[in-house]
This record gives sequence, structure tokens and C-alpha cells, in this order.
Amino acid sequence: SQQGEEDPQALSIQEGENATMNCSYKTSINNLQWYRQNSGRGLVHLILIRSNEREKHSGRLRVTLDTSKKSSSLLITASRAADTASYFCATAPNFGNEKLTFGTGTRLTIIP
Amino acid sequence: DAGITQSPRHKVTETGTPVTLRCHQTENHRYMYWYRQDPGHGLRLIHYSYGVKDTDKGEVSDGYSVSRSKTEDFLLTLESATSSQTSVYFCASGDRGSDEKLFFGSGTQLSVL
Repeated sequence: SQQGEEDPQALSIQEGENATMNCSYKTSINNLQWYRQNSGRGLVHLILIRSNEREKHSGRLRVTLDTSKKSSSLLITASRAADTASYFCATAPNFGNEKLTFGTGTRLTIIP
Repeated sequence: DAGITQSPRHKVTETGTPVTLRCHQTENHRYMYWYRQDPGHGLRLIHYSYGVKDTDKGEVSDGYSVSRSKTEDFLLTLESATSSQTSVYFCASGDRGSDEKLFFGSGTQLSVL
């Protein structure tokens, strides 16, 4: 079964707007990661947030983590056409377990 | 995708035949993973390796075996392919397993007829 579930499954916004995607998970984690996948390509790592962190920034990306609610959100500000892709959250269980588990993804479309 | 190569990129095979997919990385990463990606399921872990000759099962390991005889190579074998194994297969590698980011290959599209 999937550890993470992204919401929404699909999102379409106008270029320049902000995009927010959410991820919920079931068990305690060591860290949570976000990846991007362009059509027909492999996944590319975007950002990692550890269980003792609440917020992290990287360029136009902002990730939050609420361990009490077992949820995370990814915000992409000032979206661009090149941001069109699928976005996946992945959860790493407590230290010592190397099985990184992915959610089902959010398909983001940026309308020029 | 830099540093991780999957071969073949596409393969069509018949039910009941053995199939081997290869993953080669030049990053000297300790950890390597095989995932499959299917619509509605995201990526699901098949097997992973935490060192040469050291492997463990993921959530969908039935019907698959793996081998890692060298740091740079991780092979995925379908002993007797079934139509349910039609999927896109991704290999990934990393230095510290799930404690740090993974690097992914470009995927292998496998069709079992």
C-alpha cells in the first residue's frame, strides 16, 4: 500500500500563479522528499525536509511538514510553463529502514 | 538522470519468457533501487540493495529477483514474465539510502504480451 497520497491528483493553473500540492502519509517518518517527473523521464529530486523541520525553501519552492497531522505541502510560486510535470512525495521511514515510499503523484499543468 | 543508465529503454516480450533489466551507475553509490510505475499506483518499490550482494525486498517483489555483483550494476530479473508485469521500471541510486535524495534513471518500458 502507498505510504503517501497526494492531493489533488491533477491541478491546472495559469502561468504566474502559485501551485500548492499536499501529501498525507500514514506512519512516522525520518524525512519527506518531493520529486518532479517530466513526461517520459525519470524522477528528479526537488527538496528534502526532515522530521524535526517545519518549513524549508529552495528557490521558488516552499515545503512545509506537519508531523502531528502526518502531512506536507509543496508550494511553487510564480509558476512557469516549464513547471508542468508530475510531482511526487516520498517518505523515508525511521532511521535504519531504507525503503523510500512514493505517493501516487499530482499532475500539474501550467497554462501559458 | 546523469550517471545512471538503464537498458534496454524499451522491450516487448511474451508471457513466460525470462527478462533481465540492467541498471548501471557511475556515481559509486552504495544504495540502488528498482521501482515500477503504473497509472494510479505511483512508484512501488520492487527490491533494493544496500551493498554488493546485499539486497532486500520491497512491497511488490513477487515474481522478481535481483542481483548486485558489482557496486555499479543492479540487475532486475523477471523469471517468467506475466502481463501484469507490463510497466515502466525505474532504477535509482543514492549514497545514504532513504536518508538522502535518490537519483533516477530514465526508465525501461516493458510490455509483456
